[in-house]
Amino acid sequence: AQSVSQHNHHVILSEAASLELGCNYSYGGTVNLFWYVQYPGQHLQLLLKYFSGDPLVKGIKGFEAEFIKSKFSFNLRKPSVQWSDTAEYFCAVRPRDAGNMLTFGGGTRLMVKP
Amino acid sequence: EAGVTQSPTHLIKTRGQQATLRCSPISGHTSVYWYQQALGLGLQFLLWYDEGEERNRGNFPPRFSGRQFPNYSSELNVNALELEDSALYLCASSLTGTSGYEQYFGPGTRLTVT
Repeated sequence: AQSVSQHNHHVILSEAASLELGCNYSYGGTVNLFWYVQYPGQHLQLLLKYFSGDPLVKGIKGFEAEFIKSKFSFNLRKPSVQWSDTAEYFCAVRPRDAGNMLTFGGGTRLMVKP
Repeated sequence: EAGVTQSPTHLIKTRGQQATLRCSPISGHTSVYWYQQALGLGLQFLLWYDEGEERNRGNFPPRFSGRQFPNYSSELNVNALELEDSALYLCASSLTGTSGYEQYFGPGTRLTVT
């Protein structure tokens, strides 16, 4: 069965700092990759997705992620975080031949200090 | 455009009882997914319904069941409730699930079993 690892459970940054959240998955076949965000008191929202093509994908609110197939990684980045980026971030993987289910990482809680 | 809606927001049940959770997908979406977000266990895939049929099931016992109605709304039933069933149950929807469409999540139903 596939699994997804998010290396950092809690991250604290000051505003304007750069962000990189790690995500690694274990699955040998073709996958779709996602980052979801959950702001305080809100539901899960899609931040960005990778299906195919350019491995560097851009999402909403200035976020981007890079798919490195050889490393089974899909790390999330943002050059300069804002206080409003305080949220929990989830990486998710969907193997193309695994019945459309998403497998989520454990999540990373990001706190941005003003 | 209205998002995925779920009801009730909160549900309190006693061990051994049955719980019924409801979900209405985004208009035009035919696939509905159920996930469980339990403390310490993260987000886990439960069920996928598409066009009224159960298409995939996660690693959960048979007392977790559901159905999808002709209008594509869905119901999750949990029988013989156990304390460890206490969790946030998230519903998601997508366009037809046979290819790579992203899933959009609802706000969830918080089930508490006492």
